[in-house]
Amino acid sequence: QQPVQSPQAVILREGEDAVINCSSSKALYSVHWYRQKHGEAPVFLMILLKGGEQKGHDKISASFNEKKQQSSLYLTASQLSYSGTYFCGTGISGNTPLVFGKGTRLSVIA
Amino acid sequence: EAQVTQNPRYLITVTGKKLTVTCSQNMNHEYMSWYRQDPGLGLRQIYYSMNVEVTDKGDVPEGYKVSRKEKRNFPLILESPSPNQTSLYFCASSLRGGGYTFGSGTRLTVV
Repeated sequence: QQPVQSPQAVILREGEDAVINCSSSKALYSVHWYRQKHGEAPVFLMILLKGGEQKGHDKISASFNEKKQQSSLYLTASQLSYSGTYFCGTGISGNTPLVFGKGTRLSVIA
Repeated sequence: EAQVTQNPRYLITVTGKKLTVTCSQNMNHEYMSWYRQDPGLGLRQIYYSMNVEVTDKGDVPEGYKVSRKEKRNFPLILESPSPNQTSLYFCASSLRGGGYTFGSGTRLTVV
């Protein structure tokens, strides 16, 4: 039931790109993405809804493939501030709570 | 400022001593929930509430209680804490179907 995130961890140099994937075995209504910096609370990035969306947020964007029940988070031209753990949360309807993946630790180095 | 406020931030307690972690939000959100975060396991849901007087179990509810008597408050109660409840706890709230706003977290240690 818990979505599977990959990779578990990734190290990037500033300016490099990364993709984080989130897969579910269930038919999804929505996918949320959050970033958590060390010692802080998770912070909401974006929601994608059933229908096959793609959303952008500065240099961070995401897509949702409804047929594959998979979402991908794209980080382009990474900055040091992108470092943190990224979580996807999946919902099977608008009235059920999210189930979060185990997270992907992203480290951006100079 | 729109926020979710959790208290306390840190708590060390002894096995069996009842405790309450408070959570309050000022955004008039219908939905509130509690998660625990443990290394390598991500965020696991304890309990959630879709509205006042409506609560339901999440994935790891054993040893916890909640109540939702008012829309803004959703306290987490540990009647008889045990060492396996040592964890980082987060409260979250949202509009129905919206993005979650998390509290700052409560780091609980049970000895």
